[in-house]
Amino acid sequence: SQKIEQNSEALNIQEGKTATLTCNYTNYSPAYLQWYRQDPGRGPVFLLLIRENEKEKRKERLKVTFDTTLKQSLFHITASQPADSATYLCALDESGGYQKVTFGTGTKLQVIP
Amino acid sequence: DSGVTQTPKHLITATGQRVTLRCSPRSGDLSVYWYQQSLDQGLQFLIQYYNGEERAKGNILERFSAQQFPDLHSELNLSSLELGDSALYFCASSGRGTNEKLFFGSGTQLSVL
Repeated sequence: SQKIEQNSEALNIQEGKTATLTCNYTNYSPAYLQWYRQDPGRGPVFLLLIRENEKEKRKERLKVTFDTTLKQSLFHITASQPADSATYLCALDESGGYQKVTFGTGTKLQVIP
Repeated sequence: DSGVTQTPKHLITATGQRVTLRCSPRSGDLSVYWYQQSLDQGLQFLIQYYNGEERAKGNILERFSAQQFPDLHSELNLSSLELGDSALYFCASSGRGTNEKLFFGSGTQLSVL
């Protein structure tokens, strides 16, 4: 089965800087990869989806890249704000279309004012 | 508000007991997913239903069972509860496609004493 690895250590950055989070996976490349934000005690909230034939996807201050050769996705938050502090999860369908959507353990981001 | 409703929000019970968690998906969504999140395990995929039928299964314990009813709401039954079953249980729903984003409910916090 797929193994999804995210940097389990917290990431602390200064307000205004760009945060870059990494998601690595093993085995086959999924058809798409998703990123979610989770605040303490709340359900994850969808942010972006990138498909295998897309190199990059943007939404406001967010950017996601997908490198199927490296088996890696990078998630960037530009001009970070304290309100961006949360845990960010990457997810993929490890069943090849049967919607067994599996999540990484997440990276906790802390933006320091 | 994601449109996914989970009840109850909190549940406190004793070891050996049985509980039922309920989930109502977003209007029009056919897929329902169940996840378990504990502090040391991250978000673990349990099971997924599509229009009443089981489609994907994760590492769900035999003591746990789920079903999706004709009105598309779903229930997760947990029996012979153990201390280690204490966790936050999330339900999510998605639409008809295979590359759909997930909408999560606010979760049920289960405490087994």
